[in-house]
Amino acid sequence: GESVGLHLPTLSVQEGDNSIINCAYSNSASDYFIWYKQESGKGPQFIIDIRSNMDKRQGQRVTVLLNKTVKHLSLQIAATQPGDSAVYFCAEGAHGNKLVFGAGTILRVKS
Amino acid sequence: NAGVTQTPKFRVLKTGQSMTLLCAQDMNHEYMYWYRQDPGMGLRLIHYSVGEGTTAKGEVPDGYNVSRLKKQNFLLGLESAAPSQTSVYFCASSYSGTGDEAFFGQGTRLTVV
Repeated sequence: GESVGLHLPTLSVQEGDNSIINCAYSNSASDYFIWYKQESGKGPQFIIDIRSNMDKRQGQRVTVLLNKTVKHLSLQIAATQPGDSAVYFCAEGAHGNKLVFGAGTILRVKS
Repeated sequence: NAGVTQTPKFRVLKTGQSMTLLCAQDMNHEYMYWYRQDPGMGLRLIHYSVGEGTTAKGEVPDGYNVSRLKKQNFLLGLESAAPSQTSVYFCASSYSGTGDEAFFGQGTRLTVV
């Protein structure tokens, strides 16, 4: 039968505020996690990654938090800018297995 | 350094026609993937390959076939296109499936009328 599509959740934030995008992953064996950013009309681009032996990793204006107990991943963007408007995807990977992507979250930055 | 290149970038097909989308990567990656992305939705894995000569089904493989005859190329075929296959198709590659980021192409916008 035909499946029903799942539409993406949207997060709206004011320019300059911090953004938090959440992701629940499914495989407790996953040991590698990535956040991707997809701007309109483009392919996804790597933002930051984290391995399962860490619970926090920081990049430039971005921080990824990993909670393995509840299988939850979050991406924090500091001082959100209009250029951060995009769809954000999390992906999980386990040894020898393909990457699996989450559904994505639309981030809209209001000026 | 080209990375991941998809051809064509745009295509309009009539229902029942066939076509092949080509993905090429120059990074010597083992893993390659084909995804589709529908408006307002996430990426859904169609097929993937863990190395030259191998292919495997993803979550939405019906209506598609793939081949990986050369390590650098991953072809996605539609034997008899249907309007439900109207979508944006993304190819990606990674060095391995273990702890490596996937690099994406720019996408192919396919419309089936």
